[in-house]
Amino acid sequence: GAVVSQHPSWVICKSGTSVKIECRSLDFQATTMFWYRQFPKQSLMLMATSNEGSKATYEQGVEKDKFLINHASLTLSTLTVTSAHPEDSSFYICSALTHLGHQPQHFGDGTRLSIL
Amino acid sequence: SQQGEEDPQALSIQEGENATMNCSYKTSINNLQWYRQNSGRGLVHLILIRSNEREKHSGRLRVTLDTSKKSSSLLITASRAADTASYFCATDAEGAQKLVFGQGTRLTINP
Repeated sequence: GAVVSQHPSWVICKSGTSVKIECRSLDFQATTMFWYRQFPKQSLMLMATSNEGSKATYEQGVEKDKFLINHASLTLSTLTVTSAHPEDSSFYICSALTHLGHQPQHFGDGTRLSIL
Repeated sequence: SQQGEEDPQALSIQEGENATMNCSYKTSINNLQWYRQNSGRGLVHLILIRSNEREKHSGRLRVTLDTSKKSSSLLITASRAADTASYFCATDAEGAQKLVFGQGTRLTINP
């Protein structure tokens, strides 16, 4: 149980394009989801916490207008990288907590984003 | 946000040997978790240890927690080639739902 699906797993696009990444909890309701960014051979850096039905809470230094997060249902959160540039190329990973809010977090398989 | 330290950053051992990874953190916690990440994939939860626990086992995994030293260790016994991955510790800093991850240990098991 507690499966999180992330889509797409890999995307290449031109600079200036906006890219949407979906994170779905398949067999549970997730009131809270998290979005992370990971550079090669580095750890995960939390970008934002997404709560169903409310605005996301962004970590310091993360541009909320650049990384739009929507959590419109208990099973879906989306991250949109707006007007992406090569420096936005990275591995983006989402995770989710069940509606009980108890750890551990359940992770998606990540999305590798490459901006040309 | 500040992250914890893990050591070693990289570890290469022979199949069958034991692997030990250490993690230190900075704030008070409710629990500490260990995750595994295969190359290019998401994280898989391995084990969670609460702040009032000192040791926990799960199969070939053994985790210890010393809250006085703000440190934890992960021991993998009788390692296998399939254990090759990066291992991260994560803490719920000051009881928040969000996690703070360590820098990770890249473990290579040589057949």
